[in-house]
Amino acid sequence: AQKVTQAQTEISVVEKEDVTLDCVYETRDTTYYLFWYKQPPSGELVFLIRRNSFDEQNEISGRYSWNFQKSTSSFNFTITASQVVDSAVYFCALSDVNTGTASKLTFGTGTRLQVTL
Amino acid sequence: KAGVTQTPRYLIKTRGQQVTLSCSPISGHRSVSWYQQTPGQGLQFLFEYFSETQRNKGNFPGRFSGRQFSNSRSEMNVSTLELGDSALYLCASSFGGTENSPLHFGNGTRLTVT
Repeated sequence: AQKVTQAQTEISVVEKEDVTLDCVYETRDTTYYLFWYKQPPSGELVFLIRRNSFDEQNEISGRYSWNFQKSTSSFNFTITASQVVDSAVYFCALSDVNTGTASKLTFGTGTRLQVTL
Repeated sequence: KAGVTQTPRYLIKTRGQQVTLSCSPISGHRSVSWYQQTPGQGLQFLFEYFSETQRNKGNFPGRFSGRQFSNSRSEMNVSTLELGDSALYLCASSFGGTENSPLHFGNGTRLTVT
């Protein structure tokens, strides 16, 4: 069975601080996809990034960066110079490729990020 | 490009009633998935429809059902509502092919069962 663990329930930072959200996953699949989603108070889940299990190249996109390490089954997400608008719940998710699509996701419990002035 | 649209945004129902939720996917997306979000269980996959056929199903009782129309719009139905069905129901769409395209979610329908 697949499992995603986000050990950090809630993080509070002051604006402009860097913050890293942790994600650890478990799967027996050799091919899988990992995702990060953001859920602002409006409720919708906003797609941030997708990584497949063969692509361990880390990426930086503006203030966001991701660190994918298969050896430790981790897929961490960092926000540099956080802003109040980054306040949201962040979810890490793992896809079950055995179903043939990435529509069946296993989500972590989420990390609530609070950025204050 | 319009996003995923879910209606209604809020619903209040009584135990034993049934409810139908609606989802219009992003234009061109053929897969629609439904998720339930509760404080206790988190985000859980309900089912996925692709080309009017249920392609995947989560571990929910038969009271939860859905369908997809030829224009890819989808409806989800919950019969004989229970208090525990109170949740945010999220619909997501994707191209749905074999490319494992990411899901794009709607704002959800918040269902309260009293």
